[in-house]
Amino acid sequence: QSALTQPASVSGSPGQSITISCTGTSSDVGSYNLVSWYQQHPGKAPKLMIYEVSKRPSGVSNRFSGSKSGNTASLTISGLQAEDEADYYCCSYAGSSSVVFGGGTKLTVL
Amino acid sequence: QLQLQESGSGLVKPSQTLSLTCAVSGGSISSGGYSWSWIRQPPGKGLEWIGYIYHSGSTYYNPSLKSRVTISVDRSKNQFSLKLSSVTAADTAVYYCARFPVSLGYWYFDLWGRGTLVTVSS
Repeated sequence: QSALTQPASVSGSPGQSITISCTGTSSDVGSYNLVSWYQQHPGKAPKLMIYEVSKRPSGVSNRFSGSKSGNTASLTISGLQAEDEADYYCCSYAGSSSVVFGGGTKLTVL
Repeated sequence: QLQLQESGSGLVKPSQTLSLTCAVSGGSISSGGYSWSWIRQPPGKGLEWIGYIYHSGSTYYNPSLKSRVTISVDRSKNQFSLKLSSVTAADTAVYYCARFPVSLGYWYFDLWGRGTLVTVSS
């Protein structure tokens, strides 16, 4: 059970859109539409932003969207704002009643 | 509004057992058929799933930690617990408890505690 692969960092200017990728295998991301995304500000607990690949919990801005193609899931943030600067983690069901997280991506708003 | 709060020893000696508790407030741990999970984050690193306890009491653990982990629920105290044995410095991390509605068919963590730092050192 290896961690999902995310880029270490991404950056964008206010108002722009960015996409964070999350690459797994045919045993996790590729086989199940059970990918979730979490936002974590420094010193804070993670917050659920996307579940089941593309669904948004109540209260999460529609600037956040998710998708999946093959073994890679993606989180897109449109209309980037300063408050979006945080670490982002993907997570996927990995079979056998287990889950696996990605290594995390640091988003910098320039 | 449901809230989770971790507590336990912040300093554990190598080879000893780490013990943490997650108190559930604002609602019953037994209602809704939820499952409950532990996740950890070493300083400056990413999240690692430790395991979860199903509403029925069945437990599921990360294969890499399975031999050392025990998660249990005390419904009378409205809390659940984590024990990690034979700890080393590599177990130093912020430990989070989280609600995990897997028993309802949802594979995500929708409510988190604030986390507690556990340091393994002699």
